[in-house]
Amino acid sequence: SQTIHQWPATLVQPVGSPLSLECTVEGTSNPNLYWYRQAAGRGLQLLFYSVGIGQISSEVPQNLSASRPQDRQFILSSKKLLLSDSGFYLCAWTQGARAEAIGYTFGSGTRLTVV
Amino acid sequence: AQSVTQLGSHVSVSEGALVLLRCNYSSSVPPYLFWYVQYPNQGLQLLLKYTTGATLVKGINGFEAEFKKSETSFHLTKPSAHMSDAAEYFCAVTHYGGATNKLIFGTGTLLAVQP
Repeated sequence: SQTIHQWPATLVQPVGSPLSLECTVEGTSNPNLYWYRQAAGRGLQLLFYSVGIGQISSEVPQNLSASRPQDRQFILSSKKLLLSDSGFYLCAWTQGARAEAIGYTFGSGTRLTVV
Repeated sequence: AQSVTQLGSHVSVSEGALVLLRCNYSSSVPPYLFWYVQYPNQGLQLLLKYTTGATLVKGINGFEAEFKKSETSFHLTKPSAHMSDAAEYFCAVTHYGGATNKLIFGTGTLLAVQP
């Protein structure tokens, strides 16, 4: 069966520090991968998605970047964190073929607090 | 473009009462609709989905939703609320086709269940 791992679970970082959040999927190949951010009272905002290695699409211009160095690995990064980067970050995956009929499977999330 | 509107950011019901969470969508193509549940500091879990076929769909934990094209709605219901249903619920929409299959989420409804 497929599983998705996301870490760390919580993170407290000072303003201006770098960030690296990692997400990996097991038990499948060539998944579509997504990074969402959830801020209080604002629902889920799609940040990045990837349909293959090295293929990254950005939904919202911001202080963050994403990379997909391996088929089942998706990394969210920042060179210098801002206070506004605080939030709950969720990674998700789906199978590319007929993904719309399957829906997403989400990781357990990372609570990022920038201080 | 597709969008989702969830009416009521907070809903409170008594234990044993009917749960009704409202979701209206906007889509120029036939939609695929989803409901997800999120417990505190966790990822999202799929409750149920509508793709094609029967418009009344049943999900986990006794929830169900009915796709009404004429009303562009996909409201979530449960006949009798349980304390364990207290969580945040998200409605989401996508459509057939496209490599990215992005899910567009509503802003969520926080359900409180009173004893």
